[in-house]
Amino acid sequence: AQKVTQAQTEISVVEKEDVTLDCVYETRDTTYYLFWYKQPPSGELVFLIRRNSFDEQNEISGRYSWNFQKSTSSFNFTITASQVVDSAVYFCALKLRGAQKLVFGQGTRLTINP
Amino acid sequence: NAGVTQTPKFQVLKTGQSMTLQCAQDMNHEYMSWYRQDPGMGLRLIHYSVGAGITDQGEVPNGYNVSRSTTEDFPLRLLSAAPSQTSVYFCASSSLTGNSNQPQHFGDGTRLSIL
Repeated sequence: AQKVTQAQTEISVVEKEDVTLDCVYETRDTTYYLFWYKQPPSGELVFLIRRNSFDEQNEISGRYSWNFQKSTSSFNFTITASQVVDSAVYFCALKLRGAQKLVFGQGTRLTINP
Repeated sequence: NAGVTQTPKFQVLKTGQSMTLQCAQDMNHEYMSWYRQDPGMGLRLIHYSVGAGITDQGEVPNGYNVSRSTTEDFPLRLLSAAPSQTSVYFCASSSLTGNSNQPQHFGDGTRLSIL
């Protein structure tokens, strides 16, 4: 069975600090896809990034970066120089090749204090 | 571009009442799905569809029905609402091209309270 664990339920930091959100996944499949979604206080779910299991390159997009390590089954998300607008619930999700079902982690509530 | 549209945004029901949550997408996506979001549990899949006329159960299907008569619409029906169905419901859609790596696009959610 597939499983995604986001062990950090809530994180609170002061603006401009760097923060890393952890995501650990479980699957026996060799081909799979990992996603991060952001849910701001307004409630909608916003797609942030997709990573294929065969591509272990890290990715950087502005202040956001993602570290994918198959050896530890982790797909962590780092926000550099955090801003108040980054406050949201962040979800990590897993999808297997050939399937459409997304398996979500429990989410991490991130609060950036001014 | 509207994307995925859910109606209503909020609804309060009494136990035993029935209602339909509407979901429509204008991206010609084959795949559509319904999730419920509960505190501390992430999003859990209720039902999904890979095309018109095809539906299947997800992780928590009990108490819900779906149908897919068109590519665009995927309504979720609660036949006899129960307090345990109080939740936020999200509809999502995605293209089936590629190797399942297409991201799902979500609607804004429906916040449902059952009294």
